[in-house]
Amino acid sequence: GQSLEQPSEVTAVEGAIVQINCTYQTSGFYGLSWYQQHDGGAPTFLSYNALDGLEETGRFSSFLSRSDSYGYLLLQELQMKDSASYFCAVRPPGGGFKTIFGAGTRLFVKA
Amino acid sequence: DTAVSQTPKYLVTQMGNDKSIKCEQNLGHDTMYWYKQDSKKFLKIMFSYNNKELIINETVPNRFSPKSPDKAHLNLHINSLELGDSAVYFCASSQDKGSYDEQYFGPGTRLTVT
Repeated sequence: GQSLEQPSEVTAVEGAIVQINCTYQTSGFYGLSWYQQHDGGAPTFLSYNALDGLEETGRFSSFLSRSDSYGYLLLQELQMKDSASYFCAVRPPGGGFKTIFGAGTRLFVKA
Repeated sequence: DTAVSQTPKYLVTQMGNDKSIKCEQNLGHDTMYWYKQDSKKFLKIMFSYNNKELIINETVPNRFSPKSPDKAHLNLHINSLELGDSAVYFCASSQDKGSYDEQYFGPGTRLTVT
């Protein structure tokens, strides 16, 4: 089976750096995606890691280690607007166009 | 110039009724999806279509029937609505690029069944 685990909540201070982890138990997948969702809004794509290592996009970076069954999203210079839910997701091979999402991590950014 | 649009945004109805949600994307994508997000924000895929062909049907009750008249549209019809159907339903689309998975979501339809 496929499952993704994320912390349910993370709290950090404005201007700080926060790391949201995603551990997975899956027989294999193509890559790891991250999505952001504000309250009342739709999920929006942040990043995709096909290979092990760090992908950087502005203040956000995402990391994947297949050998450790682990990935994370790193948010730097936190802003109040970063308060949202963050989901990791994988697409297992042979699953057609099926994407499995983690349960999401609620990030609270405090002033 | 909305990329993925859904109508209606809110839907309040009584148990037993039949309702439809419409989705359109103007991104030229060839794959479209329906997701259900429950009150705990768990996002679960229901259906996916590729070039109007049903690819995934994730053990969804047959009261839910998707229909894709063309690549840009994917509608969802729900028969005999139940209380447990209350959720936010998201339509999404993507362009098939092999393993690369970047999906664009619509604004969601908040369905409340009373």
